[in-house]
Amino acid sequence: GQQLNQSPQSMFIQEGEDVSMNCTSSSIFNTWLWYKQDPGEGPVLLIALYKAGELTSNGRLTAQFGITRKDSFLNISASIPSDVGIYFCASSRGGKLIFGQGTELSVKP
Amino acid sequence: GAVVSQHPSWVICKSGTSVKIECRSLDFQATTMFWYRQFPKQSLMLMATSNEGSKATYEQGVEKDKFLINHASLTLSTLTVTSAHPEDSSFYICSASMGGQGGETQYFGPGTRLLVL
Repeated sequence: GQQLNQSPQSMFIQEGEDVSMNCTSSSIFNTWLWYKQDPGEGPVLLIALYKAGELTSNGRLTAQFGITRKDSFLNISASIPSDVGIYFCASSRGGKLIFGQGTELSVKP
Repeated sequence: GAVVSQHPSWVICKSGTSVKIECRSLDFQATTMFWYRQFPKQSLMLMATSNEGSKATYEQGVEKDKFLINHASLTLSTLTVTSAHPEDSSFYICSASMGGQGGETQYFGPGTRLLVL
């Protein structure tokens, strides 16, 4: 089936470090979305990408829609403790979202 | 913008009772609303998709008579867990999309934690 392979599964970093995570697929997608989920909360949309090659920033976050339309990455610069959470990539197919497995980020002060 | 609310945020009920969860889009009209279920440390599992005024489309393996979905308006969808049992305990999250360009983007509610005793 259609899957989004998200890596890494978890990351343990020091405050101030930069973070990079990515999603890949064997299928072509027209949308890439990045969400963050805090414990006990619903996912919050961080960045939405709609065009191949698109590079979009949201504060310390930067995401890119791969030129092949089969991948996307999310970078977080100068991490802070509140960046802790689970990050999901997602894309749309047939009106539904397909999610990656999530990247759990831990930030040590 | 694009705020989605859910009520209640948590509920504890006895086995056999029914529980209703509301999902509202506060500042936009949602052409489509979605209901998800999430187990600890796992990704979101889509349960059903609903469009205003029409019957919900359920994913394979989701019992439509168990999880009743009503989408009465462009800003409100409800999920009723009927005759709840302990195995229905979970985190239920709704989302809404507004259609149009970029309409596949879904905005999520804060979730409802259900505990069935």
